[in-house]
Amino acid sequence: GAGVSQTPSNKVTEKGKYVELRCDPISGHTALYWYRQSLGQGPEFLIYFQGTGAADDSGLPNDRFFAVRPEGSVSTLKIQRTERGDSAVYLCASSLYPQKSPGNTIYFGEGSWLTVV
Amino acid sequence: QKEVEQNSGPLSVPEGAIASLNCTYSDRGSQSFFWYRQYSGKSPELIMFIYSNGDKEDGRFTAQLNKASQYVSLLIRDSQPSDSATYLCAVNGVRGSTLGRLYFGRGTQLTVWP
Repeated sequence: GAGVSQTPSNKVTEKGKYVELRCDPISGHTALYWYRQSLGQGPEFLIYFQGTGAADDSGLPNDRFFAVRPEGSVSTLKIQRTERGDSAVYLCASSLYPQKSPGNTIYFGEGSWLTVV
Repeated sequence: QKEVEQNSGPLSVPEGAIASLNCTYSDRGSQSFFWYRQYSGKSPELIMFIYSNGDKEDGRFTAQLNKASQYVSLLIRDSQPSDSATYLCAVNGVRGSTLGRLYFGRGTQLTVWP
């Protein structure tokens, strides 16, 4: 597609429920990233995929959070036993090459706004 | 540990003025630096990147990098009301697996009034 696509755009869920957020990166982009942004803060790194594998998942806050990218394209961020503190915008981004390539840039999707009530 | 610091703002300038946005970073090994613009309720949009010391110009935008001072700035000339947004500074990770991530500042909110 033309840009990074994320679904759902908005999600309201009850505390304790399970949530899945989907990301479809720009066609041909090998690197995919998940970030989380709370109100008044900059995006906070969660996980980075190069191809199908998670190259860096050290930003995931705890074991309730998990992400997959089984075919190296679409990715799903999964949150178990949601808590009110999980409420944030979850941003997916992609880049053509790994971020460590100088000047290689990442492009963000519109985000999934998650509200846990 | 805060990796990237931005002047807190908000910054308010009149239309036509120069807006100056500043950012400092803690890791001397950082190589790539990015400025993103984020309109309220929207996702970050890349404006510019820079990885060499000095100035880089793109239209009304100029990014300035001083690695010795660990300082990067963004100048917006002839500011327009449409430039009103939050500007995010980001730097790349430099350690092992963190090479794939960006560290963002909290952002500076800019308002350009007519």
